[in-house]
Amino acid sequence: NAGVTQTPKFQVLKTGQSMTLQCAQDMNHNSMYWYRQDPGMGLRLIYYSASEGTTDKGEVPNGYNVSRLNKREFSLRLESAAPSQTSVYFCASIQEGGRALFGPGTRLTVL
Amino acid sequence: AQSVTQPDIHITVSEGASLELRCNYSYGATPYLFWYVQSPGQGLQLLLKYFSGDTLVQGIKGFEAEFKRSQSSFNLRKPSVHWSDAAEYFCAVGAGGATNKLIFGTGTLLAVQP
Repeated sequence: NAGVTQTPKFQVLKTGQSMTLQCAQDMNHNSMYWYRQDPGMGLRLIYYSASEGTTDKGEVPNGYNVSRLNKREFSLRLESAAPSQTSVYFCASIQEGGRALFGPGTRLTVL
Repeated sequence: AQSVTQPDIHITVSEGASLELRCNYSYGATPYLFWYVQSPGQGLQLLLKYFSGDTLVQGIKGFEAEFKRSQSSFNLRKPSVHWSDAAEYFCAVGAGGATNKLIFGTGTLLAVQP
């Protein structure tokens, strides 16, 4: 039982490059979320998926796309990375009632 | 819309002193409230949660929080802080229900002086 896993842990991109952040959970939770964490701004919700096959925008969705591939996996894609997307990205799997289990994070730098 | 305010960006306390971290929320119904802690370079760990019932909830590591509906607050407390409590603390409000969307505050960074 690994909980929530994220890959990669670190990534450096050049402006305009694309990449996909992967997230998987093995707790059979319906809800999964992507947050970004920036100094002084806390965690801001990018996208979430309340159940397999559904996705919805959060507070800061611009520049991102997501795919809920199946119940376990929820990926976040940056189609054309920008320096403003330099951040730490956390995936979370959320139980009924809102208790969240977080992945270890992906530290992304866009040059 | 849901929102969470943590008015203190940074707090410093002496080891052994008491601690209170403030959290105010905005939500139309009875909220689900959470406190998470993040140690440097780590993910977030749940400290405690409030769904309903007793307004004083106990969490891990000796933390407690009190839900006060009249003040829209959910402050985190600890009677005696340990050096290992130095971390960033996030308050969050959840809608519950099918979407379980969690909205976080901006965090309070706690430093502990020897």
